[in-house]
Amino acid sequence: AQSVAQPEDQVNVAEGNPLTVKCTYSVSGNPYLFWYVQYPNRGLQFLLKYITGDNLVKGSYGFEAEFNKSQTSFHLKKPSALVSDSALYFCAVRVPRGGGGNKLTFGTGTQLKVEL
Amino acid sequence: DAGVIQSPRHEVTEMGQEVTLRCKPISGHNSLFWYRQTMMRGLELLIYFNNNVPIDDSGMPEDRFSAKMPNASFSTLKIQPSEPRDSAVYFCASSGTQGSQNTIYFGEGSWLTVV
Repeated sequence: AQSVAQPEDQVNVAEGNPLTVKCTYSVSGNPYLFWYVQYPNRGLQFLLKYITGDNLVKGSYGFEAEFNKSQTSFHLKKPSALVSDSALYFCAVRVPRGGGGNKLTFGTGTQLKVEL
Repeated sequence: DAGVIQSPRHEVTEMGQEVTLRCKPISGHNSLFWYRQTMMRGLELLIYFNNNVPIDDSGMPEDRFSAKMPNASFSTLKIQPSEPRDSAVYFCASSGTQGSQNTIYFGEGSWLTVV
């Protein structure tokens, strides 16, 4: 079975400071990893994904994430946070041709709050 | 390009009534997913289809829930009869033909309240 853990329910950051939203995963096989963002009363928007290759993945709105196989982590980062980044962030995993089939398994979400 | 389109966006219904949620996936996508989001349980996969065929419906909570995909451009999720505990946001999502590598794109959701 595949699973994702987001250990922090909420992360608070001051605007201009770097931010990190943590994600660890558990799968059998090589994972495909995704980050989504959800603004209030909206659907999930795709931010970035890791499939293969360079461990550092760059995505939308200045976000990036680093795949670390030894630590089974895929933390989301941004060098300088904006108030407009405040939202709910979801990490998700998919295993190619694995027992989970084609489905995406989500973490519980981390609420990011960026303050002035 | 149009994204995943869901209707209705909001629905308030009385307990015992039938609810039908509709989804139009992104054109050309061959996988379609129905997710449910609640505060208590987070995001749960209810069912997903590949090429209009249900592949995994293990997340469908009980027999009151059913989903169909009669063609590549339309899917429904039906709840009959509805109960207050079904109140949630229901998301439809779709992805393309390259299997697990493909990004899953979500609709804006159908916000269901059962009173």
